[in-house]
Amino acid sequence: GESVGLHLPTLSVQEGDNSIINCAYSNSASDYFIWYKQESGKGPQFIIDIRSNMDKRQGQRVTVLLNKTVKHLSLQIAATQPGDSAVYFCAETLNYGQNFVFGPGTRLSVLP
Amino acid sequence: DVKVTQSSRYLVKRTGEKVFLECVQDMDHENMFWYRQDPGLGLRLIYFSYDVKMKEKGDIPEGYSVSREKKERFSLILESASTNQTSMYLCASSALDSPDQPQHFGDGTRLSIL
Repeated sequence: GESVGLHLPTLSVQEGDNSIINCAYSNSASDYFIWYKQESGKGPQFIIDIRSNMDKRQGQRVTVLLNKTVKHLSLQIAATQPGDSAVYFCAETLNYGQNFVFGPGTRLSVLP
Repeated sequence: DVKVTQSSRYLVKRTGEKVFLECVQDMDHENMFWYRQDPGLGLRLIYFSYDVKMKEKGDIPEGYSVSREKKERFSLILESASTNQTSMYLCASSALDSPDQPQHFGDGTRLSIL
């Protein structure tokens, strides 16, 4: 499949370990954030979202943390599996609108 | 599940050609979007639409136009293709009726302009 990004930061983790992917967002007024997963040759897939009135939200094997003080968003993946290998990127928007700003992404590589 | 379908996965065209990229969604979403995705860059918004026959410019509309004649279909048009328009093009849709709505993406069209 095609590579989504040839010059992305890469995080390599052992299968079974936890992964933490970070995102520094740009606008301190942003109030809604999303993490997407993009596998090779596919479009971005919604993983989890969080509103600015929360600092943590959990899904199945994933947790998103929001630190508004330093404009930082992180995605934690528990017990990383080979199927988690993909590019992950964050998106932010203001006033819960649809004009999202997308980060460049991080490539997660899961080692056997 | 939301299904956003882009008509072509790969497309090769020549400089100066008029190129049409088609996108269809099956969830009756009001909002539709066209992005391009280039290595090392985030998704950049080209055009979006909140309703039939309605369109708004995004961040990089130059060299592109769009058409939304039906609610489920949003077309991106390269009026006269140039090599700097070689890219991955992604279509997305979302519902209008909730303030925080993720966008749902198609699998993209990889367009090469020779």
